Amino acid sequence: DPKIIQKPKYLVAVTGSEKILICEQYLGHNAMYWYRQSAKKPLEFMFSYSYQKLMDNQTASSRFQPQSSKKNHLDLQITALKPDDSATYFCASSQDRQAEQFFGPGTRLTVL
Amino acid sequence: QQKVQQSPESLIVPEGGMASLNCTFSDRNSQYFWWYRQHSGEGPKALMSIFSNGDKKEGRFTAHLNKASLHVSLHIKDSQPSDSALYFCADMSNYNVLYFGSGTKLTVEP
Repeated sequence: DPKIIQKPKYLVAVTGSEKILICEQYLGHNAMYWYRQSAKKPLEFMFSYSYQKLMDNQTASSRFQPQSSKKNHLDLQITALKPDDSATYFCASSQDRQAEQFFGPGTRLTVL
Repeated sequence: QQKVQQSPESLIVPEGGMASLNCTFSDRNSQYFWWYRQHSGEGPKALMSIFSNGDKKEGRFTAHLNKASLHVSLHIKDSQPSDSALYFCADMSNYNVLYFGSGTKLTVEP
């Protein structure tokens, strides 16, 4: 059974719309993260959460908002979508600091 | 300024050969490094970590760290076609953030 679930696997959106990317982990981890991977940039850190609290945010735009409704959930809301937001978004989790981060399968977002 | 520089961009080795991947990091305070592997269509998966100077061996994989020269490398012995993937080195900050290099695409030819 997959331990980190990301939904949907593929997502197509129009410019200016809003989407929510879902992430659930069943590893019992306390820390969760979002990373982004595009053709233009390597894997890029976006957010980290620990015990449902934001620890680090390296996303310049406020259009990206993580949402943690439960300990094992960390969704990513993206508003006012732009074509440059097209990328694969990976959710990850770890037990604690400096522990191995486990990545989900990703959500591939295409903004037209 | 990119935190981690990775080379080569792509690498082709014959089956059974040795693959060597390199990274140079810019922060002298960096202490913890990871190697990740990503097969096509999947998320990255950790191969191994290293935080002490010297070599660390896990099976066919050996990581080497030299903090004085700001260099970390990965060597894959007896490469297999299943090793064909994208490989990333990553510098882990004190806040558990992974700063990834740009990746090396490894192709192992049968």
